Amino acid sequence: EAGVTQSPRYAVLQEGQAVSFWCDPISGHDTLYWYQQPRDQGPQLLVYFRDEAVIDNSQLPSDRFSAVRPKGTNSTLKIQSAKQGDTATYLCASSFGGGRDEQYFGPGTRLTVL
Amino acid sequence: AQSVTQPDARVTVSEGASLQLRCKYSYFGTPYLFWYVQYPRQGLQLLLKYYPGDPVVQGVNGFEAEFSKSNSSFHLRKASVHWSDWAVYFCAVSPGTGGYKVVFGSGTRLLVSP
Repeated sequence: EAGVTQSPRYAVLQEGQAVSFWCDPISGHDTLYWYQQPRDQGPQLLVYFRDEAVIDNSQLPSDRFSAVRPKGTNSTLKIQSAKQGDTATYLCASSFGGGRDEQYFGPGTRLTVL
Repeated sequence: AQSVTQPDARVTVSEGASLQLRCKYSYFGTPYLFWYVQYPRQGLQLLLKYYPGDPVVQGVNGFEAEFSKSNSSFHLRKASVHWSDWAVYFCAVSPGTGGYKVVFGSGTRLLVSP
């Protein structure tokens, strides 16, 4: 069984540039999560979906961040105008059945904003 | 809303010694609880999970955790630490009502000395 895949693995930007992160969850998993993990901190939830619907995006900085999962499978997280404070690893995870069940994490995308 | 506190940012243990990593949660009701591990340059992986029932939960690689409702704790233990256990350990909590949101602690970095 293929795991959660993410791309790119690394990204380096200047402030003000845009970047997109892509996630392919495990087949059949209805719930998809995006987390931001600053260096030496725990994952902090940004947004999560059940199928194609956004369940909670309250932690997403809506003026610059957006996330979609149009067909309930792959997902894209986009930062419109990156800031140095966005420097972190962005993790995607999927599960079947929501918060009761194990989340399977991808390897993450390490973003550096100069 | 639920929250998790891992009071020890870093723990050093001699190889072969026993280990306890502390986790305190805050949630009104009985939650679902998880311990994840993040090995160097790898994604998060599940060690063990607690669902309402037996308070002592067995996980992979000799890890176990004990749920205490009275202390609001879910401490992780291992009888004999191996050098390969060198990693960051995260405690996480999810609503017992079956909601989707999972909140992670800030993590404890385990260092194993020879």
